Amino acid sequence: DVKVTQSSRYLVKRTGEKVFLECVQDMDHENMFWYRQDPGLGLRLIYFSYDVKMKEKGDIPEGYSVSREKKERFSLILESASTNQTSMYLCASTSGGAGLGTEAFFGQGTRLTVV
Amino acid sequence: QKEVEQNSGPLSVPEGAIASLNCTYSDRGSQSFFWYRQYSGKSPELIMFIYSNGDKEDGRFTAQLNKASQYVSLLIRDSQPSDSATYLCAVGKTSYDKVIFGPGTSLSVIP
Repeated sequence: DVKVTQSSRYLVKRTGEKVFLECVQDMDHENMFWYRQDPGLGLRLIYFSYDVKMKEKGDIPEGYSVSREKKERFSLILESASTNQTSMYLCASTSGGAGLGTEAFFGQGTRLTVV
Repeated sequence: QKEVEQNSGPLSVPEGAIASLNCTYSDRGSQSFFWYRQYSGKSPELIMFIYSNGDKEDGRFTAQLNKASQYVSLLIRDSQPSDSATYLCAVGKTSYDKVIFGPGTSLSVIP
């Protein structure tokens, strides 16, 4: 059974804190993604990685950074949390394909509240 | 213009009816198209994917793709209350398997 696991289901952090969201997949997938999901805006891509130590900006990278030191682990970092980063964060992974997008497997999500 | 757009919803249909969910996309080079279902408080899960023009059927679900019109739809026949969820259209880019999601359409099936 494929699995993408996010380290926390709920988090409450203070403005200005450095926040780490962790994601681990056990499918040996090459590609990993971080999305945030907000009502009315859907899923928006923050960063993605197609290989260890590689990262690419998504549509809304400002205020975030990522780290991928091992194939199975992809971390999202909020350098200085702000209230507008309160959201649901979803990690996903896909296998490397022949140029076609492939099925994304999602973690259970982390609901982050910044106060 | 957003890359992937969907009916704003919410969409309500009676139990047993056909639910029709629509999606348009802006990138003509897109090659793969997905429908995900997301129950409230849960993560999205894949229910259908389609790569070629035409219809693809899987049980009560039919995905329809028209690349010339840049349009993809999902039909749910014999809708059940358990189909009540938000349906996300996603479009696959050709590089690094990145997919772009639409905002989703909320479907409510009324018993």
